[in-house]
Amino acid sequence: DAKTTQPPSMDCAEGRAANLPCNHSTISGNEYVYWYRQIHSQGPQYIIHGLKNNETNEMASLIITEDRKSSTLILPHATLRDTAVYYCSGSFGNEKLTFGTGTRLTIIP
Amino acid sequence: DTAVSQTPKYLVTQMGNDKSIKCEQNLGHDTMYWYKQDSKKFLKIMFSYNNKELIINETVPNRFSPKSPDKAHLNLHINSLELGDSAVYFCASSQVPIGLANYGYTFGSGTRLTVV
Repeated sequence: DAKTTQPPSMDCAEGRAANLPCNHSTISGNEYVYWYRQIHSQGPQYIIHGLKNNETNEMASLIITEDRKSSTLILPHATLRDTAVYYCSGSFGNEKLTFGTGTRLTIIP
Repeated sequence: DTAVSQTPKYLVTQMGNDKSIKCEQNLGHDTMYWYKQDSKKFLKIMFSYNNKELIINETVPNRFSPKSPDKAHLNLHINSLELGDSAVYFCASSQVPIGLANYGYTFGSGTRLTVV
């Protein structure tokens, strides 16, 4: 599994785009990048995943650099309910999903 | 309908006791997992089962014994509970189409175990 590095915390103003970076320089060619979030006291929630191309779904966008050594999760219009710890991870198929220390994102009213 | 449900939500017990946590998923997934989140909020995988077969065992003390009676259920039994077992335990499930990445794990809401 890829080792990931994320900033421990970030703030973002409500209504603005939240950009959460992740370094995964040891990711292998067939490992996908996954993003999850954990809202206080709840189970982690799947957000998005990608391999090489940028991805978008109803929750977020994922931008992966061409060398795949880093990625950015974008929440386009952050709301107070987006306050959570965000985790990025590298994994393939049914291999175990490992979680680092994540980024605590706080949305400021 | 809750996709991954765990019971109980809270469990307080004394050292040395034996306890079980139950997990059920109604998503039709083939793979289920147990994760432990300690007081520092680190999430670590403990076990993984695929179609009732153990596929991941992350060096967990043998006081922990998972049991999967069918692919929709994965229970966790803990013998001789210790103070250090206090944590939140999360069950999860996933489905992996062959040759593709999984479409994300679905986690339960957790069981907060407190050993006193």
